[in-house]
Amino acid sequence: GAVVSQHPSRVICKSGTSVKIECRSLDFQATTMFWYRQFPKQSLMLMATSNEGSKATYEQGVEKDKFLINHASLTLSTLTVTSAHPEDSSFYICSGRAGGGADTQYFGPGTRLTVL
Amino acid sequence: AQKVTQAQTEISVVEKEDVTLDCVYETRDTTYYLFWYKQPPSGELVFLIRRNSFDEQNEISGRYSWNFQKSTSSFNFTITASQVVDSAVYFCALSRGSTLGRLYFGRGTQLTVWP
Repeated sequence: GAVVSQHPSRVICKSGTSVKIECRSLDFQATTMFWYRQFPKQSLMLMATSNEGSKATYEQGVEKDKFLINHASLTLSTLTVTSAHPEDSSFYICSGRAGGGADTQYFGPGTRLTVL
Repeated sequence: AQKVTQAQTEISVVEKEDVTLDCVYETRDTTYYLFWYKQPPSGELVFLIRRNSFDEQNEISGRYSWNFQKSTSSFNFTITASQVVDSAVYFCALSRGSTLGRLYFGRGTQLTVWP
């Protein structure tokens, strides 16, 4: 299957700082990328969908000013958690999809964010 | 509304046993896709299978097999001769329509295979 990378894999930061997470599709062009968060022992919750060159579409209840998503190229999307707080601590996972039709989403390895 | 139910929260088996993970879905769409993903302790989701709503053929891939039954809205996953490396959380997911969009995930089933 296609490969998606995420960086960093783990980050610990102080409350109030901003954290940027990168998601890259390594061997395909991801016209659409998705960002999920996953709390311990829970399922994945979609945060937002982004298409290359367009503004991201956020799910209900997700603050777009807090979770800034940029999908500037077909291989890179970034999620910036602004003014992070302890309740933002979670596992963030991105996925990429090459196109519409019957394309499958391929997931990155995830980023574990801990806000102290 | 779309909904995926994985009623089994945790399953424990001993190595070499067969195990079936249940998945029941709800959708009003006539065209949809069903998926299974594996999430080992490392956290990365590994794609296992995709099935569209018009293809009810069962599929076998090595020790893995899937049983799709539209009549009962189920898409169950069976691992035969389970191994310790199969220990992971398994997610069933649904995508609507003819163009794949967001995935609706079930809550996941934690499978533990003991040696």
